[in-house]
Amino acid sequence: QSVLTQSPSVSGTPGQRVAVSCSGSSSNIGSNSVYWYQQVPGTAPKLLIYKSDQRPSGVPDRFSASKSGTSASLAITGLRSEDEADYYCAAWDDSLNGMIFGGGTKLTVL
Amino acid sequence: QLVQSGAEVKKPGASVSVSCKASINTFMKYGIHWVRQAPGQGLEWVGWITVKDDKPNYARKLQGRVTITTDTSAATAYLELRSLRPDDTATYFCSALFGSGGSLFEHRGQGTLIIVSA
Repeated sequence: QSVLTQSPSVSGTPGQRVAVSCSGSSSNIGSNSVYWYQQVPGTAPKLLIYKSDQRPSGVPDRFSASKSGTSASLAITGLRSEDEADYYCAAWDDSLNGMIFGGGTKLTVL
Repeated sequence: QLVQSGAEVKKPGASVSVSCKASINTFMKYGIHWVRQAPGQGLEWVGWITVKDDKPNYARKLQGRVTITTDTSAATAYLELRSLRPDDTATYFCSALFGSGGSLFEHRGQGTLIIVSA
């Protein structure tokens, strides 16, 4: 069971906006930055968001994220078929003194 | 942009070392993460090292069995896992983060499958 909680799945149609949520606690999201990763099955995870709302170079601005209290959210606008992947949130946990991941959310583009 | 060593099959109790080779131009700027993914499961953080400071940080559940090191002359990071157990069977990924010109860049390895089986 993951310390960060994500809904198992979300779906949308091309062009839509979808959101992926991540719930944690005061020892992780509540006091540290959130990271979001995209993983197409069979490939390495790709960093989409760091420092809760910043995009690394090359990540389209269709991907955005926010954090409030002990929860975080990743939004994808203008949904495309290539966005179909697993999405993971992550954060440093002060109690565990390590990085923790959510269980992942599978995005299906209908 | 990062090239990892090939898949390995190990027996329980053995050790394994996975390498992650980078371009020497950017290596000293790197912070390198290792994560693993058991078959059909989610991501699990293994550890992290900043090349410049050479100070690793490990997942608590793996402490005592894991070592992350770097060889700056070879622009290569290494993950060593000892006393292997069947539940260490996973694909191990390295990734490197570095900043340049106010932006953050990520380089990723392709993953290395480690199978632990008698």
